[in-house]
Amino acid sequence: AQKITQTQPGMFVQEKEAVTLDCTYDTSDPSYGLFWYKQPSSGEMIFLIYQGSYDQQNATEGRYSLNFQKARKSANLVISASQLGDSAMYFCAMREGTGYSTLTFGKGTMLLVSP
Amino acid sequence: NAGVTQTPKFQVLKTGQSMTLQCAQDMNHNSMYWYRQDPGMGLRLIYYSASEGTTDKGEVPNGYNVSRLNKREFSLRLESAAPSQTSVYFCASRGGGLFQPQHFGDGTRLSIL
Repeated sequence: AQKITQTQPGMFVQEKEAVTLDCTYDTSDPSYGLFWYKQPSSGEMIFLIYQGSYDQQNATEGRYSLNFQKARKSANLVISASQLGDSAMYFCAMREGTGYSTLTFGKGTMLLVSP
Repeated sequence: NAGVTQTPKFQVLKTGQSMTLQCAQDMNHNSMYWYRQDPGMGLRLIYYSASEGTTDKGEVPNGYNVSRLNKREFSLRLESAAPSQTSVYFCASRGGGLFQPQHFGDGTRLSIL
């Protein structure tokens, strides 16, 4: 079973608007971390934001925030005031807390920001 | 700030040739990883090294070998390259607590003809 599901292959948004990229996850481990990465057309992987399963508040980093709904097992990325430079592929990933766990990635969502 | 450095950035091989992809990190991280990225597949873990002296298989280890040469360096070897190994390869490292993010190199684009 897929541990990380990103159901939106592509998203379009106009500059200055907000956009939400969906991510659902599957785990029975009570301790886990959720990560979002950005991959622009140049190819590098850029870490954006992290949310721990025990964190009481939703994570925020500048224009990025994570809408964490634990009961629904969703960790959606919200980008406020989109910019042209936000056009990229976005990956959601999870690491479980039991033992030595590695990072599992979703298949990604391509975001295109138009002027 | 070098972070994670991968060499080479691009490589073309013929089927059956061998090649080693190099990765070095200067962040004193214990854990290092090799991924491959194929269109529509996201990133899949090939091998990882939780600490110097240890290596373990990931999701797609067949056709690859790794060496954790020291704390800084983690290499990926293709002994007999196949066209199915055409991909973009990323090295990553992670330090500190369990939920520290991984830091990635810029990737190696490998084509096998």
